[in-house]
Order: sequence, then structure tokens, then C-alpha cells
Amino acid sequence: GAGVSQSPSNKVTEKGKDVELRCDPISGHTALYWYRQSLGQGLEFLIYFQGNSAPDKSGLPSDRFSAERTGGSVSTLTIQRTQQEDSAVYLCASSLSTGGAQETQYFGPGTRLLVL
Amino acid sequence: AQSVTQPDIHITVSEGASLELRCNYSYGATPYLFWYVQSPGQGLQLLLKYFSGDTLVQGIKGFEAEFKRSQSSFNLRKPSVHWSDAAEYFCAVGPPYRGALIFGKGTTLSVSS
Repeated sequence: GAGVSQSPSNKVTEKGKDVELRCDPISGHTALYWYRQSLGQGLEFLIYFQGNSAPDKSGLPSDRFSAERTGGSVSTLTIQRTQQEDSAVYLCASSLSTGGAQETQYFGPGTRLLVL
Repeated sequence: AQSVTQPDIHITVSEGASLELRCNYSYGATPYLFWYVQSPGQGLQLLLKYFSGDTLVQGIKGFEAEFKRSQSSFNLRKPSVHWSDAAEYFCAVGPPYRGALIFGKGTTLSVSS
């Protein structure tokens, strides 16, 4: 596709349920990032994949959060046993190659998650 | 610790007036610096970026930003604001060796007629 796509665009779930959020990066982009945008918190880095290297998980807030990237393309962010504080917009971004900060990151429209 | 501060949560500017959005960062060396814009219902779009060289950088939509090392600042400016500039603006820093960006909490710009 022309840009980064994310699905679903909105997700409402009940506390304690697991959710999966999907990201399709721009074709050919080898670096993929997940961020979380919470009210009053701005954007927080969650996890970053670069090619076949081990992901940088340093931003994941708890072990309830995990992500995988299959075939070097699509990524899924999974939140287990969701809590109300997980309510946020989850943004995915991709960049062309090296994954260093000099590469422009292109963001998707986000998935708005609401945990009741 | 690395951080980005955007001191102004909300700014209102008259259409046609000039704009300056402030950004200060804390980082051990000179990081890569970015400004992104997020319009309602849309994703983040890169306005401009600074890596090295000329400290005044030009971006899209008529925006520019000036890197001041002595002040650890990277303020965004536009000489004449248009109503379509109303959006949320984020300053970000990125360590050269790592792709993850550190964002400020954003400044919401409203444009009055």
C-alpha cells in the first residue's frame, strides 16, 4: 500500500481481555516501531524491530505487552489482560532501512483502544 | 535521561500572524531533532528534521526550525499562519544509534480568524 496501515481503527474491550493490534508497514521498509499516545502523556516508544535483529523492547510498560513481526513485514502488538490504563492510541511507524534515527519514520493512522 | 519539553500545551494565533513553538531537549550529545504535526483524524506527518550542518532548517508547509546548541532548543516557526495549520505539533529527538524517537507531549495550535 501507499502508507502504513493499522487495524482495527478502533477497539473497545473489557478489562482483563486480550487484544491484538495489527500494523502493515510500507512495502520495503525494514524498520518498524510501535508507540503509544495517551492523553496527557504524549507519544511513548514501545518496541522497535529492525530487519532480522532482536527487537528493542525497552519501551514496553509491562510483561502484558508483546509484539512480533512475521516475515519481516506485518507486526502484531498484543496486550494481555488489558487494564483501563491501557486505553490509548497505538501508533505504528516504519522506516526505510537502517532504522537509525536519521531515517524518516512514517506513521500509520493508529488504533484507538478503549478498555472498559 | 533523555527528554523533550514543549512548554506550551496550547497556543492560539490569529490567522496571518507569526508562530513560534518552543522545544527544549535534554541529551548528552547532539541528537537528531524532528518536528511532526498531527492533524485531527490523521497520522503524524514529518515537518522537518535536523541532523547537522546549517542550524536553520526548512520544512514543508512553510515551516522552519532553528537549532540552538547553547540553549538545547529547537523551536519551530512560521511567518504567517493559515487556518489549516491548526493541529497538534510534536517535537522529537532521536539518538543517532537508535531508531526510537523520544517525543514531547505536544503543543496544540488553534488559529483564530
